[in-house]
Amino acid sequence: AQSVAQPEDQVNVAEGNPLTVKCTYSVSGNPYLFWYVQYPNRGLQFLLKYITGDNLVKGSYGFEAEFNKSQTSFHLKKPSALVSDSALYFCAVRPGYSSASKIIFGSGTRLSIRP
Amino acid sequence: GAVVSQHPSWVICKSGTSVKIECRSLDFQATTMFWYRQFPKQSLMLMATSNEGSKATYEQGVEKDKFLINHASLTLSTLTVTSAHPEDSSFYICSASGDTEAFFGQGTRLTVV
Repeated sequence: AQSVAQPEDQVNVAEGNPLTVKCTYSVSGNPYLFWYVQYPNRGLQFLLKYITGDNLVKGSYGFEAEFNKSQTSFHLKKPSALVSDSALYFCAVRPGYSSASKIIFGSGTRLSIRP
Repeated sequence: GAVVSQHPSWVICKSGTSVKIECRSLDFQATTMFWYRQFPKQSLMLMATSNEGSKATYEQGVEKDKFLINHASLTLSTLTVTSAHPEDSSFYICSASGDTEAFFGQGTRLTVV
């Protein structure tokens, strides 16, 4: 079965330190990979995506993600965390290339940045 | 990026009444839209795929007669929660996909009292 795993329910980081939010996937073929962020009582905001090309993808708000095909991972990273980065983060995969293809979401990781 | 507008942001209704939630793609045409339900501190659960001009495709376990979906145009999909009950209280989110990524509405907090 196709799936996305976010092994950490919560990640706690001090402001100014680097952060990593982990994601691995189990999908056949060459899927599209995404990270989204959700603030309380809001919809999801797109952060970044990997389609093809350079394994290091840069996105919004200073976030980046590294695609590793051999490990089927797509970890989200930021060199220096901000308190305002505290939110719920979702890794997602779209197995098919059509806009009608369903997106598979991970369970979410709550990122907490302490001052 | 593309904008998906969802309305209302929150709604409180009495048990037994019906509630309609609208999802609009403001700057692109969406032949397919998706409806999700999110429980507190949990991930998104796909409820159904809304197809313009045809019947929606519901996920297993989702009652199609309770959650009516209409996708009458390329920019509008609606979700109607019929005969709502307190257990239907939840956060509902719609999305529309572009060529690559999906764009999400702001979500609707439904509270049934």
